Amino acid sequence: DTGVSQNPRHKITKRGQNVTFRCDPISEHNRLYWYRQTLGQGPEFLTYFQNEAQLEKSRLLSDRFSAERPKGSFSTLEIQRTEQGDSAMYLCASSPGTSGRTGELFFGEGSRLTVL
Amino acid sequence: KNQVEQSPQSLIILEGKNCTLQCNYTVSPFSNLRWYKQDTGRGPVSLTIMTFSENTKSNGRYTATLDADTKQSSLHITASQLSDSASYICVVGPLGDSWGKLQFGAGTQVVVTP
Repeated sequence: DTGVSQNPRHKITKRGQNVTFRCDPISEHNRLYWYRQTLGQGPEFLTYFQNEAQLEKSRLLSDRFSAERPKGSFSTLEIQRTEQGDSAMYLCASSPGTSGRTGELFFGEGSRLTVL
Repeated sequence: KNQVEQSPQSLIILEGKNCTLQCNYTVSPFSNLRWYKQDTGRGPVSLTIMTFSENTKSNGRYTATLDADTKQSSLHITASQLSDSASYICVVGPLGDSWGKLQFGAGTQVVVTP
């Protein structure tokens, strides 16, 4: 499978614990995005990487959230001291660098977080 | 206030019938408009991408239209199939450099029944 891969697909944790999600983009894509989606809503932008550089961050990305893409390939999204309001689907997407602003985003299957 | 409003919120249609979903947006200036299909518990999959200069684009049984003057788009599904049951999300991209400014609608939930 050569699509965007995310794991784990599901994570249940207790409030206050830390969680980390991993995203492996399509191999030739140098742009990577993280979104959060709650039930019945569209995805909300969290952050964007071009290669290893984090170029945009949403105000939604509080200081408990951190994302990295150390070698410009896979990315991790860590949530520290989870809260019940963090329960959501965390979506990763990638796109090729030549696609410009009209380029297609390729989404992964998402990582669903449930905070008890 | 969300700059992308979709209607209806949900609809139920019989297999084989056609349906049309609406997307109204206030994003300006505007660069592109996308429609995505999202199956329950899965990531969105792109159906169409239109720039501001295009007014229609098709992908199989899906046809998207765009009226940039009235800031409206529609997605028409022809001869619906059970596999069309999903949420359909309209996404508007503003002019400019920010990927973070892509505006997502809340989606229309479509249920196709036999």
